[in-house]
Amino acid sequence: KQEVTQIPAALSVPEGENLVLNCSFTDSAIYNLQWFRQDPGKGLTSLLLIQSSQREQTSGRLNASLDKSSGRSTLYIAASQPGDSATYLCAVPGGSARQLTFGSGTQLTVLP
Amino acid sequence: GAGVSQSPSNKVTEKGKDVELRCDPISGHTALYWYRQSLGQGLEFLIYFQGNSAPDKSGLPSDRFSAERTGGSVSTLTIQRTQQEDSAVYLCASSSVRGPQETQYFGPGTRLLVL
Repeated sequence: KQEVTQIPAALSVPEGENLVLNCSFTDSAIYNLQWFRQDPGKGLTSLLLIQSSQREQTSGRLNASLDKSSGRSTLYIAASQPGDSATYLCAVPGGSARQLTFGSGTQLTVLP
Repeated sequence: GAGVSQSPSNKVTEKGKDVELRCDPISGHTALYWYRQSLGQGLEFLIYFQGNSAPDKSGLPSDRFSAERTGGSVSTLTIQRTQQEDSAVYLCASSSVRGPQETQYFGPGTRLLVL
């Protein structure tokens, strides 16, 4: 059974800092890995999807990397802003329905 | 274009009552998922619909939970005889592309509180 772990559970940084969020998964036979953002009381917004054949994806200040062999992904956020404050979740598809298995998330607070 | 929509956004009910939650997927998306997000359990898969195929119900926690998808579009999740442990945010997602590029797009969720 796939298990996804995210470290740290919470992170607080001053505005402008670069930061890294970590995600690990136990079964390396994945199609892709997605990073999501969730604001309080809201649904999930897809940030980046990395296919299993790719090593990284970039969108603006976000860069996600994937190392399938070690079962790890990182989300790098450059020049953090208070508007980046949210919970960040990583997820991998699997199972009979290719349903997503989620990590428990990293709650990020960027202080102005 | 319009994203995934869900209704109601909030629902408060009494223990033992039945509730229906609705999901409108993105037009043209053939795959539809229901997930549940609760404080102690994180995000859990409930049920999956793909086109006209029989749904994958492997994530439903009990027989009080059921779902249907009419005409390959709108889906309704029904919880019968609600219990306090059913309190959670119920999220719906849809997708169109199967394979490594598949991205699931989520709705805003329905927040269910069972008193």
